[in-house]
Amino acid sequence: QAGLTQPPSVSKDLRQTATLTCTGNSNNVGYQGAAWLQQHQGHPPKLVFHRNNYRPSGISERFSASRSENTASLTITGLQPEDEADYYCSAWDSSLNAWVFGGGTKLTVL
Amino acid sequence: EVQLLQSGGNLVQPGGSLRLSCVASEFTFSDYAMTWVRQAPGKGLEWVSTISASGHRTYHADSVKGRFTISRDNSKDTLYLQMMSLRAEDTAVYYCAPHMYDFWGQGTLVSVSS
Repeated sequence: QAGLTQPPSVSKDLRQTATLTCTGNSNNVGYQGAAWLQQHQGHPPKLVFHRNNYRPSGISERFSASRSENTASLTITGLQPEDEADYYCSAWDSSLNAWVFGGGTKLTVL
Repeated sequence: EVQLLQSGGNLVQPGGSLRLSCVASEFTFSDYAMTWVRQAPGKGLEWVSTISASGHRTYHADSVKGRFTISRDNSKDTLYLQMMSLRAEDTAVYYCAPHMYDFWGQGTLVSVSS
């Protein structure tokens, strides 16, 4: 299954803002949006923004998400050391009847 | 506390079989479609299979179609992944999660090697 496109890495300074992007097509991201997952090394992924455009309970308000046509974005404001992690986007593809994932973005907080 | 407890991972030879389990607690398992996702060592996340809440509809990635079967027993709050004809490239940590990824199991390692 064809995947979503994410930049491999993003580096930002402490307390700055990072915006991570995820590009798909009209059958996946453009169809019903994308979920955003955070994964720290050695741990399971954690949902930080739901596909249905809401932040799960317990996730910092510094995390927000948006979508423009076939590109989804995750914005993290006031970067903290604990935000350093791998971030994955995922969307249901209506033509493939499959979830597709991005390759992940490694966020480094300097 | 909502929990997904996984088991079944092991070292298996190429061509072998394995069944993974994922036991749910503290949520209404039968209300949720469920998904298996895997992660090969040092790699990203890869969707494997999804099953509807009732179990009547299943979906599998092309890479595992015909070899893996997802199923569930709602009376036991348990999700399964039956894996057959295992290959080296199936080596990964396997995670279970609800269809919308709300929460995740701890993962179980499947290693395929002779």
